[in-house]
Amino acid sequence: DAGVIQSPRHEVTEMGQEVTLRCKPISGHNSLFWYRQTMMRGLELLIYFNNNVPIDDSGMPEDRFSAKMPNASFSTLKIQPSEPRDSAVYFCASSFENEKLFFGSGTQLSVL
Amino acid sequence: AQSVTQLDSQVPVFEEAPVELRCNYSSSVSVYLFWYVQYPNQGLQLLLKYLSGSTLVKGINGFEAEFNKSQTSFHLRKPSVHISDTAEYFCAARYGGYQKVTFGTGTKLQVIP
Repeated sequence: DAGVIQSPRHEVTEMGQEVTLRCKPISGHNSLFWYRQTMMRGLELLIYFNNNVPIDDSGMPEDRFSAKMPNASFSTLKIQPSEPRDSAVYFCASSFENEKLFFGSGTQLSVL
Repeated sequence: AQSVTQLDSQVPVFEEAPVELRCNYSSSVSVYLFWYVQYPNQGLQLLLKYLSGSTLVKGINGFEAEFNKSQTSFHLRKPSVHISDTAEYFCAARYGGYQKVTFGTGTKLQVIP
């Protein structure tokens, strides 16, 4: 398996623009997590899905952020409109049952 | 609220010296504990995990951790570090039957030649 695949690796955009981050979890995994990493706040859980259903989105900063998982092999995290304070590395991770998390390589987002 | 605390944000250590990275978790009836490592510009990788059984857990790259229920700690140790161990280390916990994993703020290990 190729592991968790995230795209794009890097995204540079201007304030106010819509940003969509994509994630393909490992086949067979039934849980998917979106994390955000910054120097100031460390690694924050934004939202996680179990069997494609959002279970806990309490970490989503505000209404500008939304996440979907239309099927077991794909998820998106959308920011609309984006702001400079959204600049961070966004990680997607997947797992099967209570086993370990497998992380993607992350998307480095810069909002100018 | 359930939390994971890593008190040391940075730990410098000379090559071939021993190291201990500290982690404390909030007490719970059921908890699974993990250590992850993040190398520059990469995602996190699992070093080791404690689910149940022996309190001393051995992981990859010569690391080990000890689960101490009375002190609610799960410190990571290595008897002799190498330059390649320079990375950021995250302690994490999963409480009860929940899927959610809570991470500590991370400890940057800097190995000095």
